[in-house]
Amino acid sequence: QVQLVESGGGVVQPGGSLRLSCAASGFTFSSYGMHWVRQAPGKGLEWVTFIRSDGSNTYYADSVKGRFTISRDNSKNTLYLQMNSLRAEDTALYYCAKGRTVLYWGQGTLVTVSS
Amino acid sequence: DIVMTQTPLSLSVTPGQPASISCKSSQSLLYSDGKTYLSWYLQKPGQSPQLLIYEVSNRFSGVPNRFSGSGSGTDFTLKISRVEAEDVGVYYCMQSIQLSFGQGTKLEI
Repeated sequence: QVQLVESGGGVVQPGGSLRLSCAASGFTFSSYGMHWVRQAPGKGLEWVTFIRSDGSNTYYADSVKGRFTISRDNSKNTLYLQMNSLRAEDTALYYCAKGRTVLYWGQGTLVTVSS
Repeated sequence: DIVMTQTPLSLSVTPGQPASISCKSSQSLLYSDGKTYLSWYLQKPGQSPQLLIYEVSNRFSGVPNRFSGSGSGTDFTLKISRVEAEDVGVYYCMQSIQLSFGQGTKLEI
């Protein structure tokens, strides 16, 4: 069965950096585009970024453009999100999600930006 | 940017009664391949979202047939024919052309 396991979340100070990972299994990872979607505490879903199956194209929400970088390693079945210049408003549960139309979601990893 | 607007934002339904949620996009979601990339998700309390409907009207594997989706272009609807207690949660529409979600509709019993 499809499994998406996020890791790398934690508490970081404003201006700091964090790298999230998402380990995928149960499907052919290299055949699917992948997203990062976040959810601030008590709020709705916010799409963050998407990468095509071969990593050839990436897309970002305006709120993270220039600060976040999505990447993938198809040999390791792993998706990444490098987050720099973090702000308080980046505090959220970060989900990785499979497919341009999202078919499956992970359980999320919590990122807290606070001094 | 494509803006997705859901109505209502909250809904209280008696079990066994129908429910309907509207989702309107600021631009057509009909893509050049002839498909319309509008999907619906349910996030139950304390859980990750789960896919209910993709490409407007296709139920995902394992989704009960009391859930149905309809619409075209910019106007879409999710209907639950007879609400059950397990349907409680927040429903989101999502467009996969430029990638964005609606605000969410909270369904309560």
